Amino acid sequence: AQKVTQAQTEISVVEKEDVTLDCVYETRDTTYYLFWYKQPPSGELVFLIRRNSFDEQNEISGRYSWNFQKSTSSFNFTITASQVVDSAVYFCALSATTSGTYKYIFGTGTRLKVLA
Amino acid sequence: KAGVTQTPRYLIKTRGQQVTLSCSPISGHRSVSWYQQTPGQGLQFLFEYFSETQRNKGNFPGRFSGRQFSNSRSEMNVSTLELGDSALYLCASSLAGRGSTEAFFGQGTRLTVV
Repeated sequence: AQKVTQAQTEISVVEKEDVTLDCVYETRDTTYYLFWYKQPPSGELVFLIRRNSFDEQNEISGRYSWNFQKSTSSFNFTITASQVVDSAVYFCALSATTSGTYKYIFGTGTRLKVLA
Repeated sequence: KAGVTQTPRYLIKTRGQQVTLSCSPISGHRSVSWYQQTPGQGLQFLFEYFSETQRNKGNFPGRFSGRQFSNSRSEMNVSTLELGDSALYLCASSLAGRGSTEAFFGQGTRLTVV
């Protein structure tokens, strides 16, 4: 079975604090893809990053960084020096083959509130 | 490059009615997927269309159906609406929908069933 768990329902931080959003996934597939999306109040999901199962390199993009660890089936997302504009719901998603085609399986999301 | 466009943005319908939602994908994208987002269930996959064919389907009743046209635009239909169908319906497009490429989402259609 494929599953994504985001245990943190809501996190509140004060601006400039660092914050880590956790994501744990389950899949039996050897080839799979992991994603993070941001959903601002406007509603659309904004793509942040994709990582395939063969690439465990961590990635940094500005204030954002991602830590992928296959040993713990985790793909965590850290925002450094958070800003109010980072306030949104963040979704972790898994894409793995089911019945020969891929579909996204989303976690329940983590609502991040950054207070000024 | 225009993003994914969903129309209408908001809808209010009465129980028992039917509704059609529209999605125009990014130019060149051939895969269109639909998701239902509710506070209780989160984001749930409805179905995916690729080159006018339904390629994958989630666990939703037959009241939920869709189609894709030759220009890749897609429509989703819900018949005999129930109160529980109230949700944000999101459409996502991707180049080939093979899971290895990121999906781009529209702003969604917020459906309220009264």
